Amino acid sequence: ETGVTQSPTHLIKTRGQQVTLRCSSQSGHNTVSWYQQALGQGPQFIFQYYREEENGRGNFPPRFSGLQFPNYSSELNVNALELDDSALYLCASSLDLTGGHTIYFGEGSWLTVV
Amino acid sequence: DAKTTQPNSMESNEEEPVHLPCNHSTISGTDYIHWYRQLPSQGPEYVIHGLTSNVNNRMASLAIAEDRKSSTLILHRATLRDAAVYYCIPTNTGNQFYFGTGTSLTVIP
Repeated sequence: ETGVTQSPTHLIKTRGQQVTLRCSSQSGHNTVSWYQQALGQGPQFIFQYYREEENGRGNFPPRFSGLQFPNYSSELNVNALELDDSALYLCASSLDLTGGHTIYFGEGSWLTVV
Repeated sequence: DAKTTQPNSMESNEEEPVHLPCNHSTISGTDYIHWYRQLPSQGPEYVIHGLTSNVNNRMASLAIAEDRKSSTLILHRATLRDAAVYYCIPTNTGNQFYFGTGTSLTVIP
């Protein structure tokens, strides 16, 4: 158990729709990062939030956006879904930005876009 | 972000030690070296991490080369539950992970 929970575990959306994925981090963890993992690939960094502010972004378009809340929960929003957005979306939390802390991952949300 | 090179796949017999190598020649002086593993359809699981010195925990040992350009994850006695994809991830402050392709470990009974 990592203390990081994600919901929903599976969902199916239609191309062009919007989706919101949710993550609950460990209490006290001020940093949350989101990753996209396509089948057969390693996870790809989407963005990171620290104390409710975006603190870095990978090579993802603006239709991928996020929010972090004071209660250690966060959201990943994807607008105008495309077929290639079908993937496992992972949330990871850590205490802060200091290097050397353990980062804890959730089990992920499987998104299928049809 | 430092680039990593790992073997695509490795095999080990059950109850034998496994040495998983990683090359990270572009690592910066303040990058920690994290190792995670991932089973199919699950999130990555923390294994171990270190900066300069060798590290041990209940799961594994991490041997870091003196020049820090490579490291080796050591599983002392492989079990069937250790079959997974292992990722070596150098990470600076910010803890933003850039995963490579990892090493798929097969454990043979």
